[in-house]
Formats: sequence, structure tokens, C-alpha cells
Amino acid sequence: AQTVTQSQPEMSVQEAETVTLSCTYDTSENNYYLFWYKQPPSRQMILVIRQEAYKQQNATENRFSVNFQKAAKSFSLKISDSQLGDTAMYFCAFMKPDRGSQGNLIFGKGTKLSVKP
Amino acid sequence: NAGVMQNPRHLVRRRGQEARLRCSPMKGHSHVYWYRQLPEEGLKFMVYLQKENIIDESGMPKERFSAEFPKEGPSILRIQQVVRGDSAAYFCASSPSTVLNEKLFFGSGTQLSVL
Repeated sequence: AQTVTQSQPEMSVQEAETVTLSCTYDTSENNYYLFWYKQPPSRQMILVIRQEAYKQQNATENRFSVNFQKAAKSFSLKISDSQLGDTAMYFCAFMKPDRGSQGNLIFGKGTKLSVKP
Repeated sequence: NAGVMQNPRHLVRRRGQEARLRCSPMKGHSHVYWYRQLPEEGLKFMVYLQKENIIDESGMPKERFSAEFPKEGPSILRIQQVVRGDSAAYFCASSPSTVLNEKLFFGSGTQLSVL
């Protein structure tokens, strides 16, 4: 069975600084999808970034980028120029690429990020 | 262009009562997914439905829980004879097609509290 581990329950960063959130996963699959979701106090889950395992290039979305290390099964999220609005829970998630796993995301326990002014 | 709508936002039930949670997917979306989030945990997949069909219920508890997505109207997650351990946030997500790696659009969840 696949598992996702986020080893940092809480982190803090100063506004405008850079922070990296860690995520490791365990799978025997060769192809799969990885995601980072943000959950602000409003509770809504918002997709931040996604990565397809067969793509070598790390995904980037504006201030958010990932460091995907397939051999190490590591998928960290880097947030540059941190903003107060980035304060939220961040969840790493895994999904198998078959129709039987459609929408079946496996989430880590999350990292609570606080951006301080 | 409303997003995924869940109601109620908060639901309080006494042990033994029934809880009904509603989810209206985004316009044009025909696939609905339910997740449960226990305190201090990530979301756990429960069930995947298309209109009038349950596609994957591998995460649903075997007893007391059921889900439906009728041809007309919202998707309903029903919990019978609730117990304190059912207290959690229940999230619904939707997507427009079966294209894999598709972005799921989440609602803001229903917080169920069982007294």
C-alpha cells in the first residue's frame, strides 16, 4: 500500500523569505502523480502544484516549486517570497495513474505553515 | 461560476441519530468524491461516484455509511446511528471527466460533531 509521510508538523518563516516543506512517499509503482494542497483556515482544499512521476522536470507555479527526487521518493515544496496569505496547512498527496484509482488521493498528515510579518 | 457547494457547514448530532451531508458539484462536473478528515490528520478517501453509480467505495466503512449521486440533485453522504468517532470534517470534491491527473475541486467541508 502507498503511504505519504510529512515529517514536519509545524514550520514558520518570515515574510519574503523562502521555506521548504518535506514529503516522502512509499510505492512500488513506477508511474504516479504527486500533489501539494493548501488548506487555509477557511478549510477549503486548494491545489498548489502537481507533478507527474514520468516527467523529469520539476513543476513550478509562480512562487511555488517542487524538488522531485524519484529514486529517493521525495517530493518537497519550496515557497519563495513567502506571503502572509501562505499561512495554512499544506498536504502532500499521491495518486496512482489508473482508472480504478480515479480521485483516490492518499494524503500525508500535513505541515502547518505560519508566515510571520 | 459557483464552486463545489457543501451544506451544512456545521452539523451537530446526538449519538444514534442520522447525519445527511450534501454536496453539489461544480457546474458541468459529473464525478464526485467524498473524503473524511479526522483531527490532526490528512484527508482519507471514502467513495467515488458518477451520476447514479458508485465507482469506488473502497474507503467507505462497511456499516452505517452510504453515498448516492442521483440523476437530479446533490450527492448525499448518509451516516446512520452516528457515534462519537464519526466526528470529523467531511469534504466533497468534483471533476468534469475521467482524465487522470485531473484537478479535483474541493468544497469547504461539513464539520460533523457527535455529542
